Amino acid sequence: AQRVTQPEKLLSVFKGAPVELKCNYSYSGSPELFWYVQYSRQRLQLLLRHISRESIKGFTADLNKGETSFHLKKPFAQEEDSAMYYCALNGGTSYGKLTFGQGTILTVHP
Amino acid sequence: DTGVSQDPRHKITKRGQNVTFRCDPISEHNRLYWYRQTLGQGPEFLTYFQNEAQLEKSRLLSDRFSAERPKGSFSTLEIQRTEQGDSAMYLCASSLGTGNSPLHFGNGTRLTVT
Repeated sequence: AQRVTQPEKLLSVFKGAPVELKCNYSYSGSPELFWYVQYSRQRLQLLLRHISRESIKGFTADLNKGETSFHLKKPFAQEEDSAMYYCALNGGTSYGKLTFGQGTILTVHP
Repeated sequence: DTGVSQDPRHKITKRGQNVTFRCDPISEHNRLYWYRQTLGQGPEFLTYFQNEAQLEKSRLLSDRFSAERPKGSFSTLEIQRTEQGDSAMYLCASSLGTGNSPLHFGNGTRLTVT
């Protein structure tokens, strides 16, 4: 069975501080991992995916197969980063069947 | 706005009534998905269409739920004999039909069953 765990429901940091949103997954094969973000009053949107290996809005995420983790990191948080973040996994399909974690609400204080 | 649109945004219904939601995907996207999100949880996959063909249905989709995409464009999700446990946000998403293209979500339809 596939499972995504985001251990923190809430995460608060101050502007300029580093931030790390944790994501652990359970899947026996080679997964594809994503981070989706939902800003206030906006729709859920893709932030980044591990196969792209890119930095979006200063965020990066590295897939660690040994630790089955895909943590999202940003060295200097900004107030506009405040949002709900979801980690998601696609295991074994060639289409968008995703297993989402419960989400982490990130609040960046001024 | 040329994104995925869903109608209605909110629906309040009494237990036992039938409801139908509509989703209009991005026009060039031939893949369409329905997800359900309950309070405090992430979205859960319900079903997937490739053009007009419904190719996968989750076990979450009981017999009271039916989804269609008759012409491979818009889709409808119908819930018959609604129950209080059906109260949730119903999200529609679409994607291009190439590999694992990213999903584009709509704003969702929030269903409240009283």
